[in-house]
Amino acid sequence: KAGVTQTPRYLIKTRGQQVTLSCSPISGHRSVSWYQQTPGQGLQFLFEYFSETQRNKGNFPGRFSGRQFSNSRSEMNVSTLELGDSALYLCASSFGPGDTIYFGEGSWLTVV
Amino acid sequence: KNEVEQSPQNLTAQEGEFITINCSYSVGISALHWLQQHPGGGIVSLFMLSSGKKKHGRLIATINIQEKHSSLHITASHPRDSAVYICAAEAYGGSQGNLIFGKGTKLSVKP
Repeated sequence: KAGVTQTPRYLIKTRGQQVTLSCSPISGHRSVSWYQQTPGQGLQFLFEYFSETQRNKGNFPGRFSGRQFSNSRSEMNVSTLELGDSALYLCASSFGPGDTIYFGEGSWLTVV
Repeated sequence: KNEVEQSPQNLTAQEGEFITINCSYSVGISALHWLQQHPGGGIVSLFMLSSGKKKHGRLIATINIQEKHSSLHITASHPRDSAVYICAAEAYGGSQGNLIFGKGTKLSVKP
């Protein structure tokens, strides 16, 4: 069974640009969440989606947005990139609340 | 003060040693997760527990709800256990979005 797939794995963007990251959850999983990991702040929650509805949102500025499609695939978008947005962005999926969480390998974003 | 505290931050052990990583939390939780992160980024969920003790191979996780404390033990440690171990408290609501992460414990096991 395929795991959680994130694309792209690595990308470099310039300040002011925008970026879209994609996450394909494990087949059958309807809950998808996104996290940002930086050396200074560690892992922080960004968003959570369940059946195309945003259930929770972390404490991030409005430049960070996301969505989930009917096939449970999810995307997150960061507009007007800042140097501080350089991080590992991780996606995780599960069948639903209270179930084991499975993480993807992450997308490494570098903003220059 | 962080809501989830882990100790130690760094740990170096010799192969074969028994290892304990501690996690204390200050929020009410529905579950406590132990995660393993290898260099390169990918995270693997090791345990999700809400009471008592769970065992998987050489790994054992325990939780004391009254004391708001959890431990991860590794018996007969091996160099392949070298990784960052992260505990995450799942706040009430049973939602992935309610995960509050510790800063992680970097474990290095020497042969």
